[in-house]
Amino acid sequence: DIQMTQSPSSLSASVGDRVTISCRASQPINKFLNWYQQKPGMAPKLLIYSSSTLQSGVPSRFTGSGSGTDFTLTISSLQPGDFATYYCQQSYKIPYTFGQGTILE
Amino acid sequence: QVQLQEAGPRLVKPFQTLSLTCTVSGASITSGGYYWSWIRQHPTKGLQWIGFIYYSGYTDYNPSLKSRLAISVDPSNNQFSLRLTSVTAADTAVYFCARGQFGELDSWGLGTLVTVSS
Repeated sequence: DIQMTQSPSSLSASVGDRVTISCRASQPINKFLNWYQQKPGMAPKLLIYSSSTLQSGVPSRFTGSGSGTDFTLTISSLQPGDFATYYCQQSYKIPYTFGQGTILE
Repeated sequence: QVQLQEAGPRLVKPFQTLSLTCTVSGASITSGGYYWSWIRQHPTKGLQWIGFIYYSGYTDYNPSLKSRLAISVDPSNNQFSLRLTSVTAADTAVYFCARGQFGELDSWGLGTLVTVSS
């Protein structure tokens, strides 16, 4: 299986901050990398797919980049509703696998 | 807007079979172009992709669960289902159904907690 490693595991930030979360794949996955936001008691929500394509309805302050093995999710100016857990997921090879999550608090 | 809803027993005894059904509304499973997935999340842990099915019946499973797993589709009721046999406490998790197109999962159910316990 392809292992996905996120860093940091947790991150303290404030409203208005610019935040970057990293995700590294154990082997090259081209641009088959997706990002999700999950709030407590809720299902994950797709933010970005194919490394950098913003899902419909997601604010433009979320951007994704990367290819191969290294990827980043950037939130340009944190809003109160952005405090959540973020997961990356590779869809290059089955079984699809997720990172362990980054708690943004 | 597509909506998904999981349903099934919340408590399953060890070594028995876990069965869940996902009902899809706002979209037809048979319209094509989408794969219908199951994902689970262990308490306080991360996410694990279980498998998916296409409306034609084509499936792909996580190899770690394949020997105990079956995913089926019921186009007439716009549903797809999960069966996981010989469950143990390690299968206790929140189970989600979701829709995906090229591996990204763009619509999810609310999730249902299934506990394996005697």
